[in-house]
Amino acid sequence: SQTIHQWPATLVQPVGSPLSLECTVEGTSNPNLYWYRQAAGRGLQLLFYSVGIGQISSEVPQNLSASRPQDRQFILSSKKLLLSDSGFYLCAWSVGSGTEAFFGQGTRLTVV
Amino acid sequence: AQSVAQPEDQVNVAEGNPLTVKCTYSVSGNPYLFWYVQYPNRGLQFLLKYITGDNLVKGSYGFEAEFNKSQTSFHLKKPSALVSDSALYFCAVRLTGANNLFFGTGTRLTVIP
Repeated sequence: SQTIHQWPATLVQPVGSPLSLECTVEGTSNPNLYWYRQAAGRGLQLLFYSVGIGQISSEVPQNLSASRPQDRQFILSSKKLLLSDSGFYLCAWSVGSGTEAFFGQGTRLTVV
Repeated sequence: AQSVAQPEDQVNVAEGNPLTVKCTYSVSGNPYLFWYVQYPNRGLQFLLKYITGDNLVKGSYGFEAEFNKSQTSFHLKKPSALVSDSALYFCAVRLTGANNLFFGTGTRLTVIP
């Protein structure tokens, strides 16, 4: 069966520090991968999605970047965190265009 | 452009009563529609989806949703609410052939014992 791993679960980082959040999927090949941010426990904002290795689409210009170095690995990064980067970050995967996405457990990022 | 609207931030319902969480969508083509549930500090869990076919879709935990093309709606329903159904519910849409999934702003459901 397919599983998605996202870590760390919580992270407290000072302003100006770098960020690296990692997400891996097991049990499937060539998944579509997504990074979402959820602010204040409500709406989800699509940040990035990827349909293959090295293929990244950015939905919203921001202080963050994403990379997909391997088929089932998706990394969210920042060189210098801002206070406004605080939030709940969710990784997800899907296969094909008509299917649902499956989510990881999320990372609670607090920038102080 | 595609969008999803959940007009109610909060829905309260008594335990045992039927519940409805509303969702409307706006897309330029044929949509795929989804419902997810989120418990505190957790990821989203998939409940059900509409792709094609029967307009009434049944999903996990006794939930169902009805696709109404003329009203561009996809309301989530359950005949008898449980206290454990209290959570944040999200409606989402994906266009045919598209890879990205767009979410509504969420509706917080509280089931009162």
